[in-house]
Amino acid sequence: DVKVTQSSRYLVKRTGEKVFLECVQDMDHENMFWYRQDPGLGLRLIYFSYDVKMKEKGDIPEGYSVSREKKERFSLILESASTNQTSMYLCASSPILLAVRNEQFFGPGTRLTVL
Amino acid sequence: QKEVEQDPGPLSVPEGAIVSLNCTYSNSAFQYFMWYRQYSRKGPELLMYTYSSGNKEDGRFTAQVDKSSKYISLFIRDSQPSDSATYLCALYNTNAGKSTFGDGTTLTVKP
Repeated sequence: DVKVTQSSRYLVKRTGEKVFLECVQDMDHENMFWYRQDPGLGLRLIYFSYDVKMKEKGDIPEGYSVSREKKERFSLILESASTNQTSMYLCASSPILLAVRNEQFFGPGTRLTVL
Repeated sequence: QKEVEQDPGPLSVPEGAIVSLNCTYSNSAFQYFMWYRQYSRKGPELLMYTYSSGNKEDGRFTAQVDKSSKYISLFIRDSQPSDSATYLCALYNTNAGKSTFGDGTTLTVKP
């Protein structure tokens, strides 16, 4: 079974703090994604990566950055957390063999609260 | 206007009912149509995908796509309490290289 793990299930941070969310997948998938999920707004793509050291902006990249130094690990960074970044953050991965339909495998999510 | 609009719900049905979950879309560039199921406190997992207009059946689940109307549906027959979850449609544009998700419909099936 594909396993996508996220470093924390729940996280509470203060405004202005630098926040790191880590995601690791164990199936050698090429593609990795970061989403945030908010009521009434659905899943919105923040950043994605097709390869090590490569990144592409999604629909809402402002206030976020990412890092992919190893194939299995994709990190989301909030440089200076703000209250409007309180959300559920979901990481996903996808193998290139399934790129034709972009089938994604999701982690359990990190619920981040910024006070 | 959103590219993908999903019936918001929530939906509450008795066990055994037939459930219909629906999404409409505006961009004809979408080529793959998927349904994800998300249980509480979990990430979404792929339930079904389809490419062409028509119906695709998998057990109690049927995915229906009407490209001319830009309308997709997921039908659940003989619904069970274990089907209680949030269902998200996801549409993939191969040219853009990314999927666009609906907001999700939360379904509760009561025993």
